[in-house]
Amino acid sequence: GAGVSQSPSNKVTEKGKDVELRCDPISGHTALYWYRQSLGQGLEFLIYFQGNSAPDKSGLPSDRFSAERTGGSVSTLTIQRTQQEDSAVYLCASSQTYQETQYFGPGTRLLVL
Amino acid sequence: GQSLEQPSEVTAVEGAIVQINCTYQTSGFYGLSWYQQHDGGAPTFLSYNALDGLEETGRFSSFLSRSDSYGYLLLQELQMKDSASYFCAVRDFNKFYFGSGTKLNVKP
Repeated sequence: GAGVSQSPSNKVTEKGKDVELRCDPISGHTALYWYRQSLGQGLEFLIYFQGNSAPDKSGLPSDRFSAERTGGSVSTLTIQRTQQEDSAVYLCASSQTYQETQYFGPGTRLLVL
Repeated sequence: GQSLEQPSEVTAVEGAIVQINCTYQTSGFYGLSWYQQHDGGAPTFLSYNALDGLEETGRFSSFLSRSDSYGYLLLQELQMKDSASYFCAVRDFNKFYFGSGTKLNVKP
């Protein structure tokens, strides 16, 4: 079946603009995760959605970042007033309920000029 | 704070065995996972340990000692395609922490 998909694959924006990144999880997966990865670095956890439960937003790096998940499926990560330090690859993953295996999407490469 | 420590780079020859260590310090612990990431690619899941001991999956094995806050990934019969970065990751309830990754270079 189809894997996790993310769009856009690449995004170039100007400092101060807002961006929206989209993630379509694997069908039937109840858990969805967002991470950020800077070049040559590990993954920085941003947020985790489990079913219809309210997510813990404490991992988001600043109040410019927000995420939502509609209908327990598609998720959108929004970055307002982008800064150059927001440049990174944003990865989304999904997993089945109470399963530890996370399936990652190809990521969105964000470059803020 | 939360921290995961793993070597930044390891080099080994094809056919050899290599061990990548991970020590962690987190306020809570639900399990240790390992992921592989090739350059330009997305991470792929390798293994998960929630309890002490060794888990084996083909050429890859993973070990956990919760009392020592330590785990390792063992790769046997190394192949050129194993050249990649390997990340350990800890689940702490609803948060997930990744190490900075170990770049494995497999040489012929």
